[in-house]
Amino acid sequence: SSELTQDPAVSVALGQTVRITCQGDTLRSFYASWYQQKPGQAPVLAIYGKNNRPSGIPDRFSGSRSGNTASLTITGAQAEDEADYYCDSRDSSGNHRVFGGGTKLTVL
Amino acid sequence: EVQLVDSGGGLVKPGGSLRLSCAASGFNFNSYSMNWVRQAPGKGLEWVSSISTSSSYRYYADSVKGRFTISRDNAKNSLYLQMNSLRAEDTAVYYCVREDTDTTVAGVDYFDYWGQGTLVTVSS
Repeated sequence: SSELTQDPAVSVALGQTVRITCQGDTLRSFYASWYQQKPGQAPVLAIYGKNNRPSGIPDRFSGSRSGNTASLTITGAQAEDEADYYCDSRDSSGNHRVFGGGTKLTVL
Repeated sequence: EVQLVDSGGGLVKPGGSLRLSCAASGFNFNSYSMNWVRQAPGKGLEWVSSISTSSSYRYYADSVKGRFTISRDNAKNSLYLQMNSLRAEDTAVYYCVREDTDTTVAGVDYFDYWGQGTLVTVSS
């Protein structure tokens, strides 16, 4: 199976822009999806595909990909964006899913 | 409204068995692949297993292969996970998750709906 690597923790000042990254060789072939998880809650899909947001996700959330790195960008971070963020994609076989280790976002 | 309701968790001794269930509603269940994802206490998400729409394809994480069996009953809009030979490291919240695919772009699939999770504790 393949791995997806995320920074364990990132912080951002209120109203500023933050980028959360996810690295893995399979991201050259498969798009990453991004999930937001707040304490005690189930994860919520935030971004999928090239840069698609499900209904209910604010437009300050966006996604991108370059080479083997996928990124989730929050433009103008709000206090309610403080959460754990996970990327997910497929492994090299294409049959298994794999999650990144997660990034804890702190909004200062 | 799409709903996934997980159930069946509980306390079980090492080596024991447990069967998780997920009741789906609000969508055409037999049109979607389904998955189980787990999260150990204080840890990250781990994909466990997936099953295709007609149960033709079933895949498992290496950590559970040979011990867990995923199944579905499309007539009952239900997903199951039979867990045998349970170990302490299987202790986690288990989520039932719907998988969707963007058919217009290759390589795009994602988990768009999650159950509330059911806690499995393996301890003597």
